[in-house]
Amino acid sequence: EAQVTQNPRYLITVTGKKLTVTCSQNMNHEYMSWYRQDPGLGLRQIYYSMNVEVTDKGDVPEGYKVSRKEKRNFPLILESPSPNQTSLYFCASSFSDRGGYTFGSGTRLTVV
Amino acid sequence: DAKTTQPNSMESNEEEPVHLPCNHSTISGTDYIHWYRQLPSQGPEYVIHGLTSNVNNRMASLAIAEDRKSSTLILHRATLRDAAVYYCILRDDKIIFGKGTRLHILP
Repeated sequence: EAQVTQNPRYLITVTGKKLTVTCSQNMNHEYMSWYRQDPGLGLRQIYYSMNVEVTDKGDVPEGYKVSRKEKRNFPLILESPSPNQTSLYFCASSFSDRGGYTFGSGTRLTVV
Repeated sequence: DAKTTQPNSMESNEEEPVHLPCNHSTISGTDYIHWYRQLPSQGPEYVIHGLTSNVNNRMASLAIAEDRKSSTLILHRATLRDAAVYYCILRDDKIIFGKGTRLHILP
């Protein structure tokens, strides 16, 4: 089944403890992206990647890092999480820069 | 800032067609118009997209104005499962989601 898989689905962590949220797609998509969703603010793009080793900042990149060493994987790294990064995170992928995105099921992160 | 404008909410009766409008007056010639929807407690789901011509798929139809400054997503026969937030987006590398339209379906 064609899908975008995020792990974990739920995570509670403490301030400052580095964490990685993984994202993998099995559709050979070139474009991948990370979003966060917060009440009243909607979906905001964190980072996106046009291909392996090519990434760029979205609207809210501060406090996040990404890497794209393989086409299928696009992990989101929080080096030193803070409570304001408590949010619902979505990974997405698409075949081209004009095609439709397929979204993962989301990762609910709580930083205490 | 979102480059599209949508009504905050709409209501429709079950089994009737629904027309969801979207204005995008600053659209560029290469922007594709995308529609997504987000059901409660789920991630966004791709619905349809187009450039200039009207488009149909199994989920919906997309009607694009001749000047491309507006579009309409058409659900031909709404069901309770279509209750969701619908987002109209102009696609380039940085997809910007606006607030969308919350669609309520009345039984």
